[in-house]
Amino acid sequence: SQKIEQNSEALNIQEGKTATLTCNYTNYSPAYLQWYRQDPGRGPVFLLLIRENEKEKRKERLKVTFDTTLKQSLFHITASQPADSATYLCALPRDSSYKLIFGSGTRLLVRP
Amino acid sequence: NAGVTQTPKFQVLKTGQSMTLQCAQDMNHEYMSWYRQDPGMGLRLIHYSVGAGITDQGEVPNGYNVSRSTTEDFPLRLLSAAPSQTSVYFCASTDRATQETQYFGPGTRLLVL
Repeated sequence: SQKIEQNSEALNIQEGKTATLTCNYTNYSPAYLQWYRQDPGRGPVFLLLIRENEKEKRKERLKVTFDTTLKQSLFHITASQPADSATYLCALPRDSSYKLIFGSGTRLLVRP
Repeated sequence: NAGVTQTPKFQVLKTGQSMTLQCAQDMNHEYMSWYRQDPGMGLRLIHYSVGAGITDQGEVPNGYNVSRSTTEDFPLRLLSAAPSQTSVYFCASTDRATQETQYFGPGTRLLVL
């Protein structure tokens, strides 16, 4: 069955460093992959989408890579700030684009 | 635009009680979905709708009903609440043109005793 794996352990880094989060998937060939941010007590907020024919995508301090051979996406936050502390979810479309499968998320903590 | 709104924010039910979780969006999105989020399990799709009058089951539909009488509203009904339905529920909407970015509501935290 289709499965998405994100590191369940929290990532704890120093302010100013680059945070790298991993999303691995199996039994799947998605047309695209999405990353969402979720703060405690709030709904997920869309950040970035990368398509299968794109190797890398950037938005301000965010960078996402998509390796369809490794079945992996990496999410980078450069020059991290305490305000970046949140849980980050990756998501892939199921059989139709509006039906997403979500990973369980990785919590990021940026220390001042 | 208010985006996606959900009510109530928090609810406590006793086993066997019924209730409706409300969801509304003002972005004229055709697609709407309900997810539940449990610790360590991520978001799981309960039911979804591709337009008024059209609904279908997601990954974990048992114990839940939905209807879509208007584009704006997509209520989720728990017919007979069970402790296993204790969770945080999120409603989301998507524009049919892109079918990509999902806009989520703030969630409803449900506790079934």
